Amino acid sequence: GAVVSQHPSWVICKSGTSVKIECRSLDFQATTMFWYRQFPKQSLMLMATSNEGSKATYEQGVEKDKFLINHASLTLSTLTVTSAHPEDSSFYICSARWASRADTQYFGPGTRLTVL
Amino acid sequence: EDKVVQSPLSLVVHEGDTVTLNCSYEVTNFRSLLWYKQEKKAPTFLFMLTSSGIEKKSGRLSSILDKKELFSILNITATQTGDSAVYLCAVGETSGSRLTFGEGTQLTVNP
Repeated sequence: GAVVSQHPSWVICKSGTSVKIECRSLDFQATTMFWYRQFPKQSLMLMATSNEGSKATYEQGVEKDKFLINHASLTLSTLTVTSAHPEDSSFYICSARWASRADTQYFGPGTRLTVL
Repeated sequence: EDKVVQSPLSLVVHEGDTVTLNCSYEVTNFRSLLWYKQEKKAPTFLFMLTSSGIEKKSGRLSSILDKKELFSILNITATQTGDSAVYLCAVGETSGSRLTFGEGTQLTVNP
């Protein structure tokens, strides 16, 4: 149990385009999902917390108009990187929190974004 | 500001060795401490600890929490090359659902 999927697993796009990444909890309902980014050799940096049916809470320094988050259902959250630039190239990972298991977050496999 | 510090940052051992990874924390309203293993992709969950002194064990891995001294250790006995990974420690607080992650320990197990 507690499987989280992410799609796509990797994407290459041109500068200025938008990219949507999906995060799904496959066998549980996730009231809260989280979006992280990770640069090489660094730890996970939380970008935003997403609660189903409400607006996401962004961490300091993360532009909410650039990283659009939608948590439309208890099993799906999306992150859209708008007007992507090369500096947005990173590994984006989502996680989902299963309410009955307290703080445990289950991670998706990640999406490698490369912006040319 | 909440802080999670892991040590060592990097460790190289031979197969069969036992390793101990450390995680210390400073958070305002501690609720839980979690250990994850990250290989090439996203982290996989290992343990969640909430109470002091109670060891959690899974095969060759074990972990314990000391809430008085604000740290946790992760032990791996009889290491194998498949244990090579980054081990992440994260702390959850009572005030919300977010986790604060440490930098991770890069463990390399050589044959």
